[in-house]
Amino acid sequence: SQQGEEDPQALSIQEGENATMNCSYKTSINNLQWYRQNSGRGLVHLILIRSNEREKHSGRLRVTLDTSKKSSSLLITASRAADTASYFCATDPYNTDKLIFGTGTRLQVFP
Amino acid sequence: EAQVTQNPRYLITVTGKKLTVTCSQNMNHEYMSWYRQDPGLGLRQIYYSMNVEVTDKGDVPEGYKVSRKEKRNFPLILESPSPNQTSLYFCASSLRGGRTEAFFGQGTRLTVV
Repeated sequence: SQQGEEDPQALSIQEGENATMNCSYKTSINNLQWYRQNSGRGLVHLILIRSNEREKHSGRLRVTLDTSKKSSSLLITASRAADTASYFCATDPYNTDKLIFGTGTRLQVFP
Repeated sequence: EAQVTQNPRYLITVTGKKLTVTCSQNMNHEYMSWYRQDPGLGLRQIYYSMNVEVTDKGDVPEGYKVSRKEKRNFPLILESPSPNQTSLYFCASSLRGGRTEAFFGQGTRLTVV
């Protein structure tokens, strides 16, 4: 399988702290995306970073991409209880039409 | 409102009884796909479709069928469901496959007994 993996599997922090999640993948990609899922509901797109980009920001989110290491990280700054959710990376591998998701990181933010 | 609509949201069925989960999108997206989500395994792609009448296998296609007769609809068919197909299923659509953001339905929780 070309599936990516997120690390850690679970993360618990206090409100106001930063949360960092990592994603590793196996094949060359066109781009990488991050999604959020609240408790068994549909996934919501957060951010897309292309393979020729190294860093991207969106509000309190910062995503980095290192194609040489086949890895990405998602940083959520100044976390809030409402950020509690599962976070998934998804890759768009070269020469396929698939969108491959990782196994996810469960983030719990305590008030 | 742009959305992907799946039905039903919940379904309990018996082994071997054919069922269809419907998926419809109103964004004129070319790409549609089905995923199943199981604890510890993340989302795994079952089938995807690049356009009308064009479908292809994802990573876990066994036991499933799909069709894409119209751009907006992409039903998932389980001809003979088995207990190992008990899962949470998601339909998704995007403008250009993995090159653009995907929009997800709310999910269908299927239990096969």
